[in-house]
Amino acid sequence: DSGVTQTPKHLITATGQRVTLRCSPRSGDLSVYWYQQSLDQGLQFLIQYYNGEERAKGNILERFSAQQFPDLHSELNLSSLELGDSALYFCASSVDGDSPYGYTFGSGTRLTVV
Amino acid sequence: GENVEQHPSTLSVQEGDSAVIKCTYSDSASNYFPWYKQELGKRPQLIIDIRSNVGEKKDQRIAVTLNKTAKHFSLHITETQPEDSAVYFCAAPPVVGGSNYKLTFGKGTLLTVNP
Repeated sequence: DSGVTQTPKHLITATGQRVTLRCSPRSGDLSVYWYQQSLDQGLQFLIQYYNGEERAKGNILERFSAQQFPDLHSELNLSSLELGDSALYFCASSVDGDSPYGYTFGSGTRLTVV
Repeated sequence: GENVEQHPSTLSVQEGDSAVIKCTYSDSASNYFPWYKQELGKRPQLIIDIRSNVGEKKDQRIAVTLNKTAKHFSLHITETQPEDSAVYFCAAPPVVGGSNYKLTFGKGTLLTVNP
């Protein structure tokens, strides 16, 4: 157990729908990073939050959004889902926002859009 | 932003042989280079990392070497075992504005160790 908790583990939904993925970082970690992993694209950085504020943005679609709450858990919202959004979504946490040291991944959420 | 290229994409070795995976990066200011191992259906796990003030780091059968001049770093696995079979990812942080807060990953190498 990495200490980073992601729910749900699996999600099957239809095109056009909206889903929310949840991530709780390790105790004491302030940063949460979201990554999308698909077969042909590897691990793609989506967005980072640090202590409740957006810190960095990667290749995140406008249909996707995220936030980090006061208790430091984070949610990734995916809307108007398309078949191509099917992927593994990982979150990772680290102690602070200014270094990638101690970057630890959760077990991921497998999203299947049908 | 940082660009990380990883080779080969697949690697098959016999048990007991060595395996080498190479990565190149684009940002000469990058100073932290981790390697992650991902078994099928599981999360990526950090197996070794190196910082730019050293050229090599070893941990039992695993080693990482760094050549900052050439901007490449490599993972070396000696005496490979079937349980080493997995996808391996290299990563590097971009150093934009002095903050290296996210990792850019290579596309991964599928290592298969044949008994």
